Amino acid sequence: DTGVSQNPRHKITKRGQNVTFRCDPISEHNRLYWYRQTLGQGPEFLTYFQNEAQLEKSRLLSDRFSAERPKGSFSTLEIQRTEQGDSAMYLCASSLGGLAYGYTFGSGTRLTVV
Amino acid sequence: TQLLEQSPQFLSIQEGENLTVYCNSSSVFSSLQWYRQEPGEGPVLLVTVVTGGEVKKLKRLTFQFGDARKDSSLHITAAQPGDTGLYLCAGGSYSGGGADGLTFGKGTHLIIQP
Repeated sequence: DTGVSQNPRHKITKRGQNVTFRCDPISEHNRLYWYRQTLGQGPEFLTYFQNEAQLEKSRLLSDRFSAERPKGSFSTLEIQRTEQGDSAMYLCASSLGGLAYGYTFGSGTRLTVV
Repeated sequence: TQLLEQSPQFLSIQEGENLTVYCNSSSVFSSLQWYRQEPGEGPVLLVTVVTGGEVKKLKRLTFQFGDARKDSSLHITAAQPGDTGLYLCAGGSYSGGGADGLTFGKGTHLIIQP
């Protein structure tokens, strides 16, 4: 098992463009999470999937953000009409389920909006 | 909104010294986790505690969950340069609304000087 894989590792985009990130979780993990981390801050929760169902979305997730997890496997996070404030590290994590289990995080996608 | 306050925010000590970092909240958590994060990488799980008063040891690291499940501490004995990193605490609770995402503190930046 190669852990949680995120692609791309880095993305530089112009303001107003759309970007899409991919996360491949650990295959046995049915829960998948997206977090955003800015400099000097801890990760902030964005959204959570159990299998293919998106069960929770943070108020941080504006209408420009959408996430999918087709067939309960990999997930994508799309940001439309990017803004400079979207610049951050986007982290994906997966878990076997429940708060007694820890999360396994990917290495993240660093987004820079210029 | 559940908030986790970590202290100190920054800590720089000499190799061989002992240290304690703290994670405090006014909220009760069902689970509290500690992660270590290196620059440009995702957080890596160190420990999960779920029972009030629980103590877990991981080599030179000792983790304690407060009796009231509102706070936690991480103690490192004989710190080594390899312990350098950002230490994050994260709490989760079964709020009854299906919420499953962890809330992270801002982290403690630890530097161990040789």
